[in-house]
Amino acid sequence: QKEVEQNSGPLSVPEGAIASLNCTYSDRGSQSFFWYRQYSGKSPELIMFIYSNGDKEDGRFTAQLNKASQYVSLLIRDSQPSDSATYLCAVIRVGNMLTFGGGTRLMVKP
Amino acid sequence: EAQVTQNPRYLITVTGKKLTVTCSQNMNHEYMSWYRQDPGLGLRQIYYSMNVEVTDKGDVPEGYKVSRKEKRNFPLILESPSPNQTSLYFCASSGNRDYNSPLHFGNGTRLTVT
Repeated sequence: QKEVEQNSGPLSVPEGAIASLNCTYSDRGSQSFFWYRQYSGKSPELIMFIYSNGDKEDGRFTAQLNKASQYVSLLIRDSQPSDSATYLCAVIRVGNMLTFGGGTRLMVKP
Repeated sequence: EAQVTQNPRYLITVTGKKLTVTCSQNMNHEYMSWYRQDPGLGLRQIYYSMNVEVTDKGDVPEGYKVSRKEKRNFPLILESPSPNQTSLYFCASSGNRDYNSPLHFGNGTRLTVT
């Protein structure tokens, strides 16, 4: 079992819809969770982080964390074609090791 | 401009020929790290450094070496590259070891070993 798992996609949504990206992790002691966005041919960039159970909103992005179920999700409201990218979930495991998932490719169609 | 600079961007080499990929950051960051990215496997950490002269293995350190003689530089060394090290490599830095500040990534180095 991978430490951090994501569906590789592609996840295809129409413009204006809500895109829901999911991530599960295996280390129950994990404390911090991050979402990075990576455009094709570019380096990853941080878009959100979340430490506590519940929701955290930043503009069109909402991160959701459920430690009991060991999953973290990212919702993108009013999806735009410019949101088309690969989204990487990252988790800080016990021992302060930052581990990335394989990424989900999102395609937003006009 | 705050940035992480990697060189070269592209590198094609042959098995066994030693190479170094350089990484430099101008943000006075303590934490630096190297990742490799392969299709379907995401970013896997090779080595990281919490500060000058302090380096530790990540998840996939075999076949790689690093050094941190200065705060700004963190080169990745492949003493004897093999084809399974063909990959996209990223250097990253962060203001602190707890990841409360985001990782800043370099533009990547695409390495091909034939």
